[in-house]
Amino acid sequence: ETGVTQTPRHLVMGMTNKKSLKCEQHLGHNAMYWYKQSAKKPLELMFVYSLEERVENNSVPSRFSPECPNSSHLFLHLHTLQPEDSALYLCASSQAGMGLAGGPNTGELFFGEGSRLTVL
Amino acid sequence: EDQVTQSPEALRLQEGESSSLNCSYTVSGLRGLFWYRQDPGKGPEFLFTLYSAGEEKEKERLKATLTKKESFLHITAPKPEDSATYLCAVNSGGSNYKLTFGKGTLLTVNP
Repeated sequence: ETGVTQTPRHLVMGMTNKKSLKCEQHLGHNAMYWYKQSAKKPLELMFVYSLEERVENNSVPSRFSPECPNSSHLFLHLHTLQPEDSALYLCASSQAGMGLAGGPNTGELFFGEGSRLTVL
Repeated sequence: EDQVTQSPEALRLQEGESSSLNCSYTVSGLRGLFWYRQDPGKGPEFLFTLYSAGEEKEKERLKATLTKKESFLHITAPKPEDSATYLCAVNSGGSNYKLTFGKGTLLTVNP
């Protein structure tokens, strides 16, 4: 496996279900991200973990719960979602020494192919 | 709050017809401006980082430039394989990790 892999690629769930999205990076990076991409909207940052510590929580509803057990894995736990949460959820990683604009390979996020979520 | 506006929303070109995509931004202290390419059904792929006005970066048929208010992505003699959505993003002094993205420009290059 290379790069950033996300599973599942597609997920359909009811509003009362509980599911999880998984992301794994094989690049040796120390920061991981969850982004949400909805039609006709810009990518929205949800969470950032740097060195396994959450450093950004972008006012995301509590029905989304991230988990970063180590620097290679990132989860997004989903429960009691709403239909408006249907979107493409993208995981990314980077090597962030001083953040995106302060170190080597700055601004270079490596994205996975996303998990397409549909909430019925 | 940082804002990024990309124009046009969609652009259709003939193969070999050069053009430019625009990214206008409003930030409190630009730390970096980034261009990404996104193919359908895939995650964005990093292209360039620009830090200061006057800076230019090139990669194959693409050249990115930066002023104090906007960035341009120039596409010279495009090919059908350049068809994709091009995303612009900025990082400002508010956060080490947050990128604010524009909505993107969907480029279609016809053979």
